[in-house]
Amino acid sequence: GENVEQHPSTLSVQEGDSAVIKCTYSDSASNYFPWYKQELGKRPQLIIDIRSNVGEKKDQRIAVTLNKTAKHFSLHITETQPEDSAVYFCAAPPRDSNYQLIWGAGTKLIIKP
Amino acid sequence: AAGVIQSPRHLIKEKRETATLKCYPIPRHDTVYWYQQGPGQDPQFLISFYEKMQSDKGSIPDRFSAQQFSDYHSELNMSSLELGDSALYFCASSLGGGRSNQPQHFGDGTRLSIL
Repeated sequence: GENVEQHPSTLSVQEGDSAVIKCTYSDSASNYFPWYKQELGKRPQLIIDIRSNVGEKKDQRIAVTLNKTAKHFSLHITETQPEDSAVYFCAAPPRDSNYQLIWGAGTKLIIKP
Repeated sequence: AAGVIQSPRHLIKEKRETATLKCYPIPRHDTVYWYQQGPGQDPQFLISFYEKMQSDKGSIPDRFSAQQFSDYHSELNMSSLELGDSALYFCASSLGGGRSNQPQHFGDGTRLSIL
């Protein structure tokens, strides 16, 4: 079945710098890759997603890149701000499922003032 | 914009009791998902419903059951509660399930505590 690995588990960056979080997946049939942001005790919020027919997608300060050959995708946050501090999760669907998502273990992003 | 509504927000139960969690999806969304999230853990997929039929099943214990009603709201029924069931339970909804994975939008969750 699908396995999603996420790195690093914790990332500390200076305010204004960029942050990059990487995920690898195992099932080459996976075709949808969302990223969620979760603040402590709150709901996961979808911040960006990408499908397998696209290599990159950007929305203001956040972007996601996908490398299907290497089976990895990355979240890029530029000009980081204190409100970017949260846990970020990547996810991917297992083969033959249009509903289930397998989630990475999460990355705790800390923005230092 | 309307979001996913979950009730109750907090629930305290004792071992071996039962609990029912409710979820009202975003209007016009036809697919509902249930997740369980323990402290410091990623969300674990439990079950999903598309057009009132179970569409996929994950790590849902046999003690739990769920359904989606004609108005698309969903309920998660939990019986013989155990200490390990203490967690945040999230419901998510999406539009257009069955074609391909669609963006899932989460409710604020129900925090279930088992004493």
